[in-house]
Amino acid sequence: EADIYQTPRYLVIGTGKKITLECSQTMGHDKMYWYQQDPGMELHLIHYSYGVNSTEKGDLSSESTVSRIRTEHFPLTLESARPSHTSQYLCASSESKVPPYNEQFFGPGTRLTVL
Amino acid sequence: GESVGLHLPTLSVQEGDNSIINCAYSNSASDYFIWYKQESGKGPQFIIDIRSNMDKRQGQRVTVLLNKTVKHLSLQIAATQPGDSAVYFCAASSGAGSYQLTFGKGTKLSVIP
Repeated sequence: EADIYQTPRYLVIGTGKKITLECSQTMGHDKMYWYQQDPGMELHLIHYSYGVNSTEKGDLSSESTVSRIRTEHFPLTLESARPSHTSQYLCASSESKVPPYNEQFFGPGTRLTVL
Repeated sequence: GESVGLHLPTLSVQEGDNSIINCAYSNSASDYFIWYKQESGKGPQFIIDIRSNMDKRQGQRVTVLLNKTVKHLSLQIAATQPGDSAVYFCAASSGAGSYQLTFGKGTKLSVIP
């Protein structure tokens, strides 16, 4: 069973605030991902990391930033939240050394509302 | 780049019937495909996957079919149950050593008791 955790699960915050969404996994996976998902819509990759000290931007432009200082931890930060950031944020991880190599395990998500 | 799409945004089936959810992809180099189930308020959960060297793979009550000629895959759920109600996503990996997945839009499956 996948052990990947996200906090907070729900966050309502005012415009201009700085926020950090937490994501941790206990599976020792080397790869981690952040997706943005509007209700019922497809997932868009916003950031990914293939290992410690490695981060890349995904296909969807995002004003957020990420860091990967430890294998198990992949936080996402918004320096100044805006209403356009209102969405669900999903964190995932995968293991590249074990087949099928591409299966991603997802956390429960953080639903962010910016007023 | 890769694009992945589903044919129907919603699907309603009677409990006990079989469900078929379809998906199309654009990149002929895609070599790995995966179906996820997402229930309300939760993250996507793995259902079944298939590599491009296979045409069919079966799991418990689920079957995935891959047609590389027309770049199409489908998810079949046998004897659909109320617990199967969720949004289903297909995703594809673009191959060439890429670990990223491109997701389709999702089909909402509703099971009528």
